[in-house]
Amino acid sequence: AQSVTQLDSHVSVSEGTPVLLRCNYSSSYSPSLFWYVQHPNKGLQLLLKYTSAATLVKGINGFEAEFKKSETSFHLTKPSAHMSDAAEYFCVVTSLYGQNFVFGPGTRLSVLP
Amino acid sequence: GAVVSQHPSRVICKSGTSVKIECRSLDFQATTMFWYRQFPKKSLMLMATSNEGSKATYEQGVEKDKFLINHASLTLSTLTVTSAHPEDSSFYICSAPRAAGGEQYFGPGTRLTVT
Repeated sequence: AQSVTQLDSHVSVSEGTPVLLRCNYSSSYSPSLFWYVQHPNKGLQLLLKYTSAATLVKGINGFEAEFKKSETSFHLTKPSAHMSDAAEYFCVVTSLYGQNFVFGPGTRLSVLP
Repeated sequence: GAVVSQHPSRVICKSGTSVKIECRSLDFQATTMFWYRQFPKKSLMLMATSNEGSKATYEQGVEKDKFLINHASLTLSTLTVTSAHPEDSSFYICSAPRAAGGEQYFGPGTRLTVT
């Protein structure tokens, strides 16, 4: 079975400072991992995905994530936070056949001026 | 542009009535679609897997007689909340993969409020 842990329910950073959102996963198989962002009252938007290619994955809006198998982690980073980055972020792992997505509990990112 | 749509985006209904939510894949066929429920400030919880041409697969604890799923075509799945109660009020989101193991495309969600 797959599972996802996002250790921080809420992260607060100042505008222009780095962002780190942590994600650890558990999977019996080689996983595919995703980060999605959800702005208030909006749908989910894909930020980036890892599907067994390069371990450092670059996504939209300056975000990137590194897949570390030894640490079973897939942390999301951004060098410089922008006010528009304030949202809920979900780390997601696929199930056995890569169809059913298992969501982490989410991390709410606040960006302070 | 959006590749998965949901209709309606927002619905208010009275307790005891039924509500149907549609999920459509716009430019691809989806033999499988997924229905999620999201409580306020919570993560998405998978409710069921909708399979075209066969019965849906429900997650443990989800009442199949209350949440009826019909996947009548390769581009449309519907979720009907029957005899809705205030505790059914939630944000319902569907998704569909363009290909097995590939990216999931999520609909914009439907906010259901039962009064």
